[in-house]
Amino acid sequence: DTEVTQTPKHLVMGMTNKKSLKCEQHMGHRAMYWYKQKAKKPPELMFVYSYEKLSINESVPSRFSPECPNSSLLNLHLHALQPEDSALYLCASSQGPPPGLYEQYFGPGTRLTVT
Amino acid sequence: QKEVEQNSGPLSVPEGAIASLNCTYSDRVSQSFFWYRQYSGKSPELIMSIYSNGDKEDGRFTAQLNKASQYVSLLIRDSQPSDSATYLCAVKVEKLTFGTGTRLTIIP
Repeated sequence: DTEVTQTPKHLVMGMTNKKSLKCEQHMGHRAMYWYKQKAKKPPELMFVYSYEKLSINESVPSRFSPECPNSSLLNLHLHALQPEDSALYLCASSQGPPPGLYEQYFGPGTRLTVT
Repeated sequence: QKEVEQNSGPLSVPEGAIASLNCTYSDRVSQSFFWYRQYSGKSPELIMSIYSNGDKEDGRFTAQLNKASQYVSLLIRDSQPSDSATYLCAVKVEKLTFGTGTRLTIIP
């Protein structure tokens, strides 16, 4: 089973709102990822958690705040977003962390619209 | 020079024919290579991974890797309309780097 789940599927928020995206995997994977994908572009890495610790932050603005409460859960807290942050936010997981030769599996994504 | 390059397409292939998707990468230390399929509005789905030079077959899909030429390809045999999607090539060094994707359309 290679299932990664994400909630909510869709989210509309104003620029002053605070919201959170959630991701869960029960594959025993030890690395989890957040990606952002704009229309007709490839996914862009935002954060990597390895063994529940933040290992990579791709210079993401502080209005995005990741959290890994345990090895199965990953959250992305959103605050004071801009309309240009509207995108598909993808969570992924892999058996081990980079740079290991592990396959990454993506969740279905959260379609975020910032108004 | 882009790290991972793909022809953006669109690539149109008749149903039942072989679709050939190509990808080149710039970092010689890359060790793992992946093909993802992404339907419009959906998330990427892993369809093939390859780590060694040569061919790897899985059903109708064959991945080919040539590290000397820094080239990886995906062949889809007996193409079906359901194969119409964007195919993303991804290469891992420290992190997974994606190409811009090739949009494939299978014509019935």
